[in-house]
Amino acid sequence: GQSLEQPSEVTAVEGAIVQINCTYQTSGFYGLSWYQQHDGGAPTFLSYNALDGLEETGRFSSFLSRSDSYGYLLLQELQMKDSASYFCAVPHAGNNRKLIWGLGTSLAVNP
Amino acid sequence: DAGVIQSPRHEVTEMGQEVTLRCKLISGHNSLFWYRQTMMRGLELLIYFNNNVPIDDSGMPEDRFSAKMPNASFSTLKIQPSEPRDSAVYFCASSFRTSGGKNEQFFGPGTRLTVL
Repeated sequence: GQSLEQPSEVTAVEGAIVQINCTYQTSGFYGLSWYQQHDGGAPTFLSYNALDGLEETGRFSSFLSRSDSYGYLLLQELQMKDSASYFCAVPHAGNNRKLIWGLGTSLAVNP
Repeated sequence: DAGVIQSPRHEVTEMGQEVTLRCKLISGHNSLFWYRQTMMRGLELLIYFNNNVPIDDSGMPEDRFSAKMPNASFSTLKIQPSEPRDSAVYFCASSFRTSGGKNEQFFGPGTRLTVL
């Protein structure tokens, strides 16, 4: 089967850097996605990594190591508005239209 | 573009009643996903359609749940009869098929369902 593991909670302070890790188990791998969800809101797409390495988009970066079945989301210069849940997801091995989701990491950014 | 539209945004009903949730896809998208989200189980895929055809309904909890996509832009999820354990936030999401595995999904605002 396929599964993803990520920490349930992370706490940081404004201006800091935080890394949210995700490890996955899958028989076939296409890539790793990250979504952000604010309380009461809908998940929104942040990034997708199909190849090893770091992809940077503004304050957010996402990293993938396929050999380690591991990725992370890096958030820099944290702001209060970054307080949200962050989900990693991978396409289903048998049908890449479906996503398999982690349970999410709740990030609290404190003043 | 208005994005994915869902209605109602909130629904409170009593056990045994029928509930119908509605979703309008983003124009041009050809895949539609219904999800249920709870604290205990996270985000669960219930069913998805591709080009109006149900492709995978393995996540539908039981026969009380049914989903339809009568045209390329609209879908309904029905629960009949509803039970308190169905209380959750129901999202629909749409995407446009691309090569590879990115398949970015665009979520609607969700319907918060409470079954008393």
